[in-house]
Amino acid sequence: EPEVTQTPSHQVTQMGQEVILRCVPISNHLYFYWYRQILGQKVEFLVSFYNNEISEKSEIFDDQFSVERPDGSNFTLKIRSTKLEDSAMYFCASRTGGARAGELFFGEGSRLTVL
Amino acid sequence: GENVEQHPSTLSVQEGDSAVIKCTYSDSASNYFPWYKQELGKGPQLIIDIRSNVGEKKDQRIAVTLNKTAKHFSLHITETQPEDSAVYFCAATDSWGKLQFGAGTQVVVTP
Repeated sequence: EPEVTQTPSHQVTQMGQEVILRCVPISNHLYFYWYRQILGQKVEFLVSFYNNEISEKSEIFDDQFSVERPDGSNFTLKIRSTKLEDSAMYFCASRTGGARAGELFFGEGSRLTVL
Repeated sequence: GENVEQHPSTLSVQEGDSAVIKCTYSDSASNYFPWYKQELGKGPQLIIDIRSNVGEKKDQRIAVTLNKTAKHFSLHITETQPEDSAVYFCAATDSWGKLQFGAGTQVVVTP
């Protein structure tokens, strides 16, 4: 069964360092998302990406965050200068095309710990 | 924007009993309502979903109901089993697929 894969599963970094989280969405999907989940809290929307550009972003997704689909298969989330409050589980998700909402497939997540 | 409220935050049930989780949403434009199950250390997995043109949907022991007028929807799990223990999230979205999640319900099924 096709699945969304994410790497790394866990990253520990020092405050102020840059972090790149990688995702390989399901191959025929066209819409891509990043969500995050702070420990014990709800899953929060960060950004959606379609047709090689950001379609929507939340207020969490400030100038420190960026996304990229560099090679047609990977979908990356970069945090330029990490803060303690960026510690969370980051989930990548994707879905098929069409404007009508459908099932989002989530990856297993990348746990980011900022020290 | 959309705001999704979910209750209860924790739910403890005896094996074999039913579990009900309720959610409300604020945006009348929302038309797709999925439910996700999240096991410890894993990503959310879709277990059932419903669209706004349907009032009820059932899949084996799981059912979801939607009241569009009142803007609430519920998840019903019957004959609960220990493997149903997990965190359950409701969500709502408009046509563009940006999900707004509820706060989650920790379900514990005790033998």
